[in-house]
Amino acid sequence: ETGVTQSPTHLIKTRGQQVTLRCSSQSGHNTVSWYQQALGQGPQFIFQYYREEENGRGNFPPRFSGLQFPNYSSELNVNALELDDSALYLCASSRWSGGGTDTQYFGPGTRLTVL
Amino acid sequence: KNQVEQSPQSLIILEGKNCTLQCNYTVSPFSNLRWYKQDTGRGPVSLTIMTFSENTKSNGRYTATLDADTKQSSLHITASQLSDSASYICVVSPGTGTALIFGKGTTLSVSS
Repeated sequence: ETGVTQSPTHLIKTRGQQVTLRCSSQSGHNTVSWYQQALGQGPQFIFQYYREEENGRGNFPPRFSGLQFPNYSSELNVNALELDDSALYLCASSRWSGGGTDTQYFGPGTRLTVL
Repeated sequence: KNQVEQSPQSLIILEGKNCTLQCNYTVSPFSNLRWYKQDTGRGPVSLTIMTFSENTKSNGRYTATLDADTKQSSLHITASQLSDSASYICVVSPGTGTALIFGKGTTLSVSS
């Protein structure tokens, strides 16, 4: 186990609704990254938070937003859900090294189904 | 376009046998290359991280190689075990170090 936890494990929503996913990072880590993994695909980078600030963003629309809290836990919010948002959402925590080789420890993911 | 391509898409081998998974990338700039193991329904677990200057790195029965000139990497698994059945994902980090680029993975099935 990596020490990274995510909640909920599974979630079913309907189109147009909003969803909040949560992630608790591993002790000592100050960076959280969020990924979307569609069935049969590799994870796609959504964004990263470092010390409560967004530190990079992938090719996702603004309805995907996030927060990082002082304890370094994080939330991913998705507004106006679409059917294509159905995926496994992974968060990964790491300790920022500045050299780009920090190991990311992944949580078990939240399986979101949009009907 | 930054891309990571993996082959084969899937592989079935007998327990105890060796296998090699391939990864080709077109990511530029390049910071490091990682191999992850992902069990079904679980998050990926890091196996190795290699920077530009590293040619090989081992983690138990897993050995990764990197040829930065040809932009190719391989993951060799020796004496496979049933617990090796999983998806193996090649990940490349550009110089920014934030937007990791993932391959689609190779699904390995080890049978007895």
